[in-house]
Amino acid sequence: EDKVVQSPLSLVVHEGDTVTLNCSYEVTNFRSLLWYKQEKKAPTFLFMLTSSGIEKKSGRLSSILDKKELFSILNITATQTGDSAVYLCAVGTTSGTYKYIFGTGTRLKVLA
Amino acid sequence: GAVVSQHPSRVICKSGTSVKIECRSLDFQATTMFWYRQFPKQSLMLMATSNEGSKATYEQGVEKDKFLINHASLTLSTLTVTSAHPEDSSFYICSAALWGTQTYNEQFFGPGTRLTVL
Repeated sequence: EDKVVQSPLSLVVHEGDTVTLNCSYEVTNFRSLLWYKQEKKAPTFLFMLTSSGIEKKSGRLSSILDKKELFSILNITATQTGDSAVYLCAVGTTSGTYKYIFGTGTRLKVLA
Repeated sequence: GAVVSQHPSRVICKSGTSVKIECRSLDFQATTMFWYRQFPKQSLMLMATSNEGSKATYEQGVEKDKFLINHASLTLSTLTVTSAHPEDSSFYICSAALWGTQTYNEQFFGPGTRLTVL
């Protein structure tokens, strides 16, 4: 059975800290791994990763994929209170039909 | 970027009524749309994959007669919750997949519909 597991489930840090969120997966026919940030409504797209070892970066956020070890990490440096959200990892797979399997999410709270 | 709209954003209905939720891709043609359900403080659970012009593929445990999905065009998919009950109260989110050489793996989310069944 395909599955995506994120850790930790929740995290509380102070402004300025650096956090690393983990996403591991076991799927057949892996196509891509996507990171999303979800605040009150629908998730907003952060990164899409398809190749191992290539870091994607956007401001204070960065992410990398390891297709051999089947995991990805999302790093946030110099955290701010506005980074407080649930971070979701989703894996695109073509086992059966093309679909995305979401992880459990990591709830991040950044304290001032 | 690709925009997906969802309507209504919020609906409150009585038990036993049916509710239709629309999902539209506004500036691209979406061959595939996905319907998710999210309970409070939980992740997104895929309900079904909807392909234009064909029957939806439902995930295990999702009743296809309860959650009717129609994908009549490349820009519109609808989810109808039939004979809604309080346990159907949830946040329903659709997404549309953009196919192409660079972006075939991306999906774009609608803003979601919060359904409350009294």
